[in-house]
Amino acid sequence: SQQGEEDPQALSIQEGENATMNCSYKTSINNLQWYRQNSGRGLVHLILIRSNEREKHSGRLRVTLDTSKKSSSLLITASRAADTASYFCATDAEYGQNFVFGPGTRLSVLP
Amino acid sequence: ETGVTQSPTHLIKTRGQQVTLRCSSQSGHNTVSWYQQALGQGPQFIFQYYREEENGRGNFPPRFSGLQFPNYSSELNVNALELDDSALYLCASSLGWTDTQYFGPGTRLTVL
Repeated sequence: SQQGEEDPQALSIQEGENATMNCSYKTSINNLQWYRQNSGRGLVHLILIRSNEREKHSGRLRVTLDTSKKSSSLLITASRAADTASYFCATDAEYGQNFVFGPGTRLSVLP
Repeated sequence: ETGVTQSPTHLIKTRGQQVTLRCSSQSGHNTVSWYQQALGQGPQFIFQYYREEENGRGNFPPRFSGLQFPNYSSELNVNALELDDSALYLCASSLGWTDTQYFGPGTRLTVL
């Protein structure tokens, strides 16, 4: 079955640096979404990118999608301590009805 | 805040018991999805309800069941609880099953 797989599993950076996380998946998709989760709480939606889009921006976030490589990246620029969280990508099957989440990237931003 | 609420926040049960978790969807949303998230892992899809009908199911046994009501709120029921059912249970509402899903804060279930 298809699955988003984030890379790296964990990332530690200094405040002000940029953080890049990657997501790979296996089958064709309609959409790919990125979510953030703080300390085991509910997930917060960050960005949805559709299969016919290549790049989207939202504030300090930049998401790219390469459907030929079945991969996406999330870039957080000028990171802050408040960005410390787990980040998940979720893909929906082209002919399915649910989103599949990867295991996540745990980001630590050190002050 | 997404407008999606879940109750209770925390729950402790013993093995073999039954549990019901509740979710109120965001206003205007007709789709609710339920996920199980074990510690340190990503959410795993349990099932989805669209306009009161089950619209897809993940790899979970039949003792995981659900309902969606006319106001689009939803319940997740788990029978014959097992230790491995201990997890954070998340519900998410959306307008249609391919749209952005907005998550509630989750219910932390501990099975002893």
